[in-house]
Amino acid sequence: GQNIDQPTEMTATEGAIVQINCTYQTSGFNGLFWYQQHAGEAPTFLSYNVLDGLEEKGRFSSFLSRSKGYSYLLLKELQMKDSASYLCAVRDNTGGFKTIFGAGTRLFVKA
Amino acid sequence: DSGVTQTPKHLITATGQRVTLRCSPRSGDLSVYWYQQSLDQGLQFLIQYYNGEERAKGNILERFSAQQFPDLHSELNLSSLELGDSALYFCASSVAPTGRRGETQYFGPGTRLLVL
Repeated sequence: GQNIDQPTEMTATEGAIVQINCTYQTSGFNGLFWYQQHAGEAPTFLSYNVLDGLEEKGRFSSFLSRSKGYSYLLLKELQMKDSASYLCAVRDNTGGFKTIFGAGTRLFVKA
Repeated sequence: DSGVTQTPKHLITATGQRVTLRCSPRSGDLSVYWYQQSLDQGLQFLIQYYNGEERAKGNILERFSAQQFPDLHSELNLSSLELGDSALYFCASSVAPTGRRGETQYFGPGTRLLVL
């Protein structure tokens, strides 16, 4: 089956760096996504990793290790508007392509 | 604005009723996905269509059904509604259903369903 684990909540300070971890178990791994979701709003795409390594995009970076079933999202120079849920999602091609979302990590950025 | 539209924005109905949620994908996107998000749960994948055909099925109840029409818009039908069906229903679209980067999903604003 598929399983995605990420911390439920994290708190960080404005201007700091925070790392949100995600571990997954899937039989047909075909890529990992990170999405940001503000309360009551639609998720918005942040990053996509399919090969091992780090992908950097502005203040956000995402890392993947397929052998360890592990990814992290790194947010630098935190701003208050970064307070949101961060969803780790794994694409699985077992029995048809499906994207399985984790429960999300709620990040609180404090002044 | 992702380019994905969903109607209605809000829907209030009673148990036992049937409702239809509508989604129009981004221009050029052939795949449509439906998700359910309850208050205390993450996004639950329901079903995916690609160019009119069902592509993948998730945890979709038998009381729920969906289809994608020739103009690529999609409808999610929810019947015999129960209190527990109250949730945010998101539609997402992507260019193609393969493992390419182009499969990034763009989400609509959601339909908030309240079953009383």
